[in-house]
Amino acid sequence: AQSVTQPDIHITVSEGASLELRCNYSYGATPYLFWYVQSPGQGLQLLLKYFSGDTLVQGIKGFEAEFKRSQSSFNLRKPSVHWSDAAEYFCAVDSGGYQKVTFGTGTKLQVIP
Amino acid sequence: NAGVTQTPKFRILKIGQSMTLQCAQDMNHNYMYWYRQDPGMGLKLIYYSVGAGITDKGEVPNGYNVSRSTTEDFPLRLELAAPSQTSVYFCASSPNTEAFFGQGTRLTVV
Repeated sequence: AQSVTQPDIHITVSEGASLELRCNYSYGATPYLFWYVQSPGQGLQLLLKYFSGDTLVQGIKGFEAEFKRSQSSFNLRKPSVHWSDAAEYFCAVDSGGYQKVTFGTGTKLQVIP
Repeated sequence: NAGVTQTPKFRILKIGQSMTLQCAQDMNHNYMYWYRQDPGMGLKLIYYSVGAGITDKGEVPNGYNVSRSTTEDFPLRLELAAPSQTSVYFCASSPNTEAFFGQGTRLTVV
């Protein structure tokens, strides 16, 4: 069965600093990979997705993620964090079907001035 | 654009009561989902639908029922509310695999 691990429950960064959120997945083939963001009291919004091709994908709000097959990872990055990026971030894996999306447990990002 | 609309936003239920969480989407998506979100647990799929008249169980369906009579609407029914159903519920729709989420319903069962 597929699984997603987000090892960091909570991360604090200073505004302007770089950010990397980790995501590891377990699945036999190459899955579809997603990063979603959830602001307080809101639903989830798609940041970016990887289906195939270039392993570095660009998303909205200046985020990017890199798929590394050898490490089964899909880490999310941003060069310079803004206070408005404070939110919870979810990595998700789709092994092939609408009912087969598995979400990680989330990483809560705090941004300090 | 309305997107995915969930009502109500908040609700308190007593044990044993029933209620329906409403979900409507105006994007003509075939796929719709109900998830529950508990602290530190991510999202768990309750039920999903691939089109009007077709529904199926997800990972945690016990205590819930759904129906899909139209493409737009996908209500979630709780028949006998239990404290374990205290959670935040999200409805989502999708044209393929990318999901669009509603703002959630925070349900407390006391």
